[in-house]
Amino acid sequence: EADIYQTPRYLVIGTGKKITLECSQTMGHDKMYWYQQDPGMELHLIHYSYGVNSTEKGDLSSESTVSRIRTEHFPLTLESARPSHTSQYLCASSPGQGLIGETQYFGPGTRLLVL
Amino acid sequence: AQKITQTQPGMFVQEKEAVTLDCTYDTSDPSYGLFWYKQPSSGEMIFLIYQGSYDQQNATEGRYSLNFQKARKSANLVISASQLGDSAMYFCAMREVGGSNYKLTFGKGTLLTVNP
Repeated sequence: EADIYQTPRYLVIGTGKKITLECSQTMGHDKMYWYQQDPGMELHLIHYSYGVNSTEKGDLSSESTVSRIRTEHFPLTLESARPSHTSQYLCASSPGQGLIGETQYFGPGTRLLVL
Repeated sequence: AQKITQTQPGMFVQEKEAVTLDCTYDTSDPSYGLFWYKQPSSGEMIFLIYQGSYDQQNATEGRYSLNFQKARKSANLVISASQLGDSAMYFCAMREVGGSNYKLTFGKGTLLTVNP
């Protein structure tokens, strides 16, 4: 059972607000990921991290930013939320052993609604 | 071209029956991994089963099995003895080594409904 946590689970916020979505894992995993998922659709990778102080953008362009100052923590920030940011954001982690079968473990997700 | 194709947007099955969810993939990489995840309405992604491209046998995990046909590039998920709790979205995903070996590419998913 994976121990990966996301807060808040649900967020309703007005346009222009700055928001930070929290993601933490207690497994000591090196790799962490952020995915964006619109309702009923596939997941798209927006950010990933190999380890502390390492972050990269994913396949889907996103106006969000991330940081990785501690192994267990990978927050995602939107400086100015817009209605187009309304989506579900899923955080995941994996051990980072570089194996083809390495499983990614997901958090419960944050459902964001920007009015 | 899509790397992962799930052609069934929705599937219905009677409780206690078996169901097959289709997944085809596209890669030129000889080494790759295939994953299935379940996403209930609550939103979390639950890992179900994994199949490596070099694995000789089809993967099984409890009621889940993966029907891996390498030449046809298909990796169908079989759920035996369906339960009401199996109602969820199911996503097929692939990891390729040739690009970045950390990234998963997901299909669009299949919504499974188990009827009592």
